[in-house]
Amino acid sequence: NAGVTQTPKFQVLKTGQSMTLQCAQDMNHNSMYWYRQDPGMGLRLIYYSASEGTTDKGEVPNGYNVSRLNKREFSLRLESAAPSQTSVYFCATVTGAPPNYGYTFGSGTRLTVV
Amino acid sequence: AQTVTQSQPEMSVQEAETVTLSCTYDTSENNYYLFWYKQPPSRQMILVIRQEAYKQQNATENRFSVNFQKAAKSFSLKISDSQLGDTAMYFCAFILYNFNKFYFGSGTKLNVKP
Repeated sequence: NAGVTQTPKFQVLKTGQSMTLQCAQDMNHNSMYWYRQDPGMGLRLIYYSASEGTTDKGEVPNGYNVSRLNKREFSLRLESAAPSQTSVYFCATVTGAPPNYGYTFGSGTRLTVV
Repeated sequence: AQTVTQSQPEMSVQEAETVTLSCTYDTSENNYYLFWYKQPPSRQMILVIRQEAYKQQNATENRFSVNFQKAAKSFSLKISDSQLGDTAMYFCAFILYNFNKFYFGSGTKLNVKP
């Protein structure tokens, strides 16, 4: 089925450890996004990639790096995890064109940093 | 700057009744799209309804309808005949035309009671 696949679904890290969240889409879309979701704060944009080979900072990029490996894949890396990065992370891609805009989201990664 | 405000962190409604979720937004742009997304306990983000800002007619999708007041920058969601499966977080969001970046509110947690 077409969609956005995120791995892993759950992860526990110790402070200072590193990890990479993987995201892949099979819809041949140009734009891909990484959000974090925290209670009472909705979804906040970390980084986005408007097309293969380009990445841009969103609202909360500090502590993260991204790689747009190819058109399908957009990874998010935490180099040195901190408890403040405990959150649920969503990858998304834009579906359609005006007027049929929408986001297709991955199923999310629940990350806990202890 | 673009902002989205959902002033109701949590709401409850009895099954079969009607409930309205509020959303206001701020943008200086004229062309944009508004959305309501539903996030059930499964964490999956599901598109509920979409409204094009240039359309005066309010969007409807079965039991879901919106009250779009462009001058007031208000975009409320009405859920009629509430069902237990409507229990979820609801996020209001908008995207500027051709900017491919969503702005989300902080969410309203809706609890439908039997």
